[in-house]
Amino acid sequence: DTEVTQTPKHLVMGMTNKKSLKCEQHMGHRAMYWYKQKAKKPPELMFVYSYEKLSINESVPSRFSPECPNSSLLNLHLHALQPEDSALYLCASSRAGDRGLTDTQYFGPGTRLTVL
Amino acid sequence: AQSVAQPEDQVNVAEGNPLTVKCTYSVSGNPYLFWYVQYPNRGLQFLLKYITGDNLVKGSYGFEAEFNKSQTSFHLKKPSALVSDSALYFCAVRDRDSNYQLIWGAGTKLIIKP
Repeated sequence: DTEVTQTPKHLVMGMTNKKSLKCEQHMGHRAMYWYKQKAKKPPELMFVYSYEKLSINESVPSRFSPECPNSSLLNLHLHALQPEDSALYLCASSRAGDRGLTDTQYFGPGTRLTVL
Repeated sequence: AQSVAQPEDQVNVAEGNPLTVKCTYSVSGNPYLFWYVQYPNRGLQFLLKYITGDNLVKGSYGFEAEFNKSQTSFHLKKPSALVSDSALYFCAVRDRDSNYQLIWGAGTKLIIKP
């Protein structure tokens, strides 16, 4: 089973709202990732957690706040977003930490976020 | 610097014909190469990867890819295209100099016409 689940599927929020995206995997993977993807573009890496510790933050604005409560869960807390933050947010996981060069990243279906 | 190029924004193929989606890469060390497919309004699905060994890699849904070190290419192929193969295809490479993270190509839209 190579399933990564994400909730919600769709989210519409105003610029003053606070919301959270959730990602879950039960493959025993020890690296989890958040990506942002604009239409017809490749995904852009935002954050990487390796063994439940934040290992990479790609200079993401502080209005995005990641959290890894345990090895199976990854959250992305959103606050005071801008309309240009509207995108597909993808979660991924891979087996052996973020330095597993040969490990496959498995992606969830994404959350389609619209900021009004 | 590490990079991946997908020289075609779009590839059009008639159903039943062979298809090729091109990918070239530039890395300083050993390349670890991946192909993903994205159907409309969906996440990315892993197709196949090259790590080492046989230059012809077989993957999901009848796809295969050929690693060519001298041409630094990793083209995705399928002998007989299906309309359902129509999607966005991404090539990616990973190495130590990319902070161990995936470097993505721009993507190629594949359209299979009945």
